[in-house]
Amino acid sequence: NAGVTQTPKFRILKIGQSMTLQCTQDMNHNYMYWYRQDPGMGLKLIYYSVGAGITDKGEVPNGYNVSRSTTEDFPLRLELAAPSQTSVYFCASSPTGGRLTEAFFGQGTRLTVV
Amino acid sequence: GENVEQHPSTLSVQEGDSAVIKCTYSDSASNYFPWYKQELGKRPQLIIDIRSNVGEKKDQRIAVTLNKTAKHFSLHITETQPEDSAVYFCADSGNTGKLIFGQGTTLQVKP
Repeated sequence: NAGVTQTPKFRILKIGQSMTLQCTQDMNHNYMYWYRQDPGMGLKLIYYSVGAGITDKGEVPNGYNVSRSTTEDFPLRLELAAPSQTSVYFCASSPTGGRLTEAFFGQGTRLTVV
Repeated sequence: GENVEQHPSTLSVQEGDSAVIKCTYSDSASNYFPWYKQELGKRPQLIIDIRSNVGEKKDQRIAVTLNKTAKHFSLHITETQPEDSAVYFCADSGNTGKLIFGQGTTLQVKP
């Protein structure tokens, strides 16, 4: 099993550009999450999904969009990149929404907006 | 799982000493309390967890204790070693599955 796979690993964007961060998991987990982690800071929840077709906002959703058309994939879309979105982005999945079992993380995507 | 407070934000100990990190949660429906370790440049990984029907759980040098009445749980690391230096996070998802992490504790173990 590959677990949770994120692409790309690194990306530099210019202000105003758009991009999609890809996340896929092969563990058949219902719950998936997107977090951002600024340098020296904690994990802030951007969006999460409790199953295919269902998404909800987290702590810091502004400037991002998500979709969940399949159980496996949970892409994160940045429409108009801003320097404040420079961060490391982690995707995670869990079979029970973090209740009674652990969440598994991807290796992260380091995004720089210049 | 809407609010998780973690303290301290930084902790420096001498090798061989103990380290304690505490988290406070707000959702009385919470029943699972994990701790994650994140080494520099790596992804967070689970190191220990506890369920609400247990007061304490140990795994070699690490342990987690839970006080449901006071709504807090703590990570204890004994006989600290330099490889324990990392950022540690607690997390809570309450009854919703909205997994929220504490602010993180940067632990430095000095040789």
